[in-house]
Amino acid sequence: DGGITQSPKYLFRKEGQNVTLSCEQNLNHDAMYWYRQDPGQGLRLIYYSQIVNDFQKGDIAEGYSVSREKKESFPLTVTSAQKNPTAFYLCASSMERGISTDTQYFGPGTRLTVL
Amino acid sequence: AQKITQTQPGMFVQEKEAVTLDCTYDTSDPSYGLFWYKQPSSGEMIFLIYQGSYDQQNATEGRYSLNFQKARKSANLVISASQLGDSAMYFCAMREGYNAGNNRKLIWGLGTSLAVNP
Repeated sequence: DGGITQSPKYLFRKEGQNVTLSCEQNLNHDAMYWYRQDPGQGLRLIYYSQIVNDFQKGDIAEGYSVSREKKESFPLTVTSAQKNPTAFYLCASSMERGISTDTQYFGPGTRLTVL
Repeated sequence: AQKITQTQPGMFVQEKEAVTLDCTYDTSDPSYGLFWYKQPSSGEMIFLIYQGSYDQQNATEGRYSLNFQKARKSANLVISASQLGDSAMYFCAMREGYNAGNNRKLIWGLGTSLAVNP
């Protein structure tokens, strides 16, 4: 069964702590993405990666870090430097054909709450 | 300026009726793609339908169709024969053709909340 998994579904963190969100895909997609969604807003791009060992900042990368050591995995770390981390985080992947037709497919999301 | 505009924050439709969700976009790039996603209360973003800027015909996928009016820069989603399970948020998104600096991102609208009444 091909798809994208994110874990955990719900995550609680104390202020000042780093936390890592997992994203795994078995679709053999080259590109992976992390988005943040706040209530009443569309998605905003945090980071994306086109190939293994390479990633680029999106629109709101400050306070976040990523790694792409394997094609299947693209974990996101929310650091203590992120001032307002409570949000819904969505991971996506695509074949990365480099053209506008490239469709992104999403995982179920992780809801992060900072206490 | 908003590149994707969804003017309907909320919509109601009676079960089995058709409903149109509006989306207008703004781009100067001749090559772009338009996407519609559904987000139920569970949170997962589900891809519904795609329309390319060079496509000659309107896209269709089962009960979903896209009313693409290029000159008016609109890409409205039409859902026929609404079902209770169609109740969700619907997002319109655009991806412009690749050029230096656009970082391959999808540009998202704020969404339309659709409620299907029995």
